[in-house]
Amino acid sequence: SQQGEEDPQALSIQEGENATMNCSYKTSINNLQWYRQNSGRGLVHLILIRSNEREKHSGRLRVTLDTSKKSSSLLITASRAADTASYFCATDETSYDKVIFGPGTSLSVIP
Amino acid sequence: GAVVSQHPSWVICKSGTSVKIECRSLDFQATTMFWYRQFPKQSLMLMATSNEGSKATYEQGVEKDKFLINHASLTLSTLTVTSAHPEDSSFYICSADRGTGELFFGEGSRLTVL
Repeated sequence: SQQGEEDPQALSIQEGENATMNCSYKTSINNLQWYRQNSGRGLVHLILIRSNEREKHSGRLRVTLDTSKKSSSLLITASRAADTASYFCATDETSYDKVIFGPGTSLSVIP
Repeated sequence: GAVVSQHPSWVICKSGTSVKIECRSLDFQATTMFWYRQFPKQSLMLMATSNEGSKATYEQGVEKDKFLINHASLTLSTLTVTSAHPEDSSFYICSADRGTGELFFGEGSRLTVL
C-alpha cells in the first residue's frame, strides 16, 4: 500500500517562480526522501530528511518535515525549465524495512 | 556517487517467454535491493525487497512465482518475469540501499510483451 500522498498532482509555473509540493503520510517514519524522475528514466535522489529534523536545504531545494502533521514540503526556488520532471516523496516506515513512494507531482516549468 | 546499473534498458519479448532483468551496484555493496514497477504517469509500486543470501519479501498482491527474485551477491539482484504476458508490460526499476537510508536507483528497464 502507498504511504505518501503528494499534492498537487500536477503543477505548471513560469521559469523563475518558486514551486511548492506537499507530501502527507500515515504511519511513523525513520526518514522521508524526495526524488526526481525525468520521463522514462530512473529516479534521482534529491534530499533526505530524518524524523528528528525539521528543515533541510540543498542548493535551490528546501524541505520541511512536520511529524506532528505527518507532512513534508519540497520548495524549489527560482525554477528553471530543466526542473521539469516528476517529483516523488518516499517514506521509510519505522515498522518495516522498506521505502514507499507517493503518487508524485508532475512539475512543468515554462520558459 | 553510488551507481546502480540496470540491464537491459528495454526488452521486447513474445508472450509466454521469460525475461531476466539485472540490477548491479557498481561501486558499493548493497545488502538490500528493492524492485519497483511503474505504470505510465503513475508512481512506483514496491514489488519486493531483496536481501542478499535470503529469500525476497514480496508485497501483497505480487505473485512470487511470476516474479522471481534472486539476490546472489552483495552487488547483484535479478528479477525474472516468468511466462510474460502483455499485462506484465511495464517499467521495472531497482534500487539499492548501501546502509545510509538513501536509495540509489537504476535507470529502469522497460518491458514490452507482445
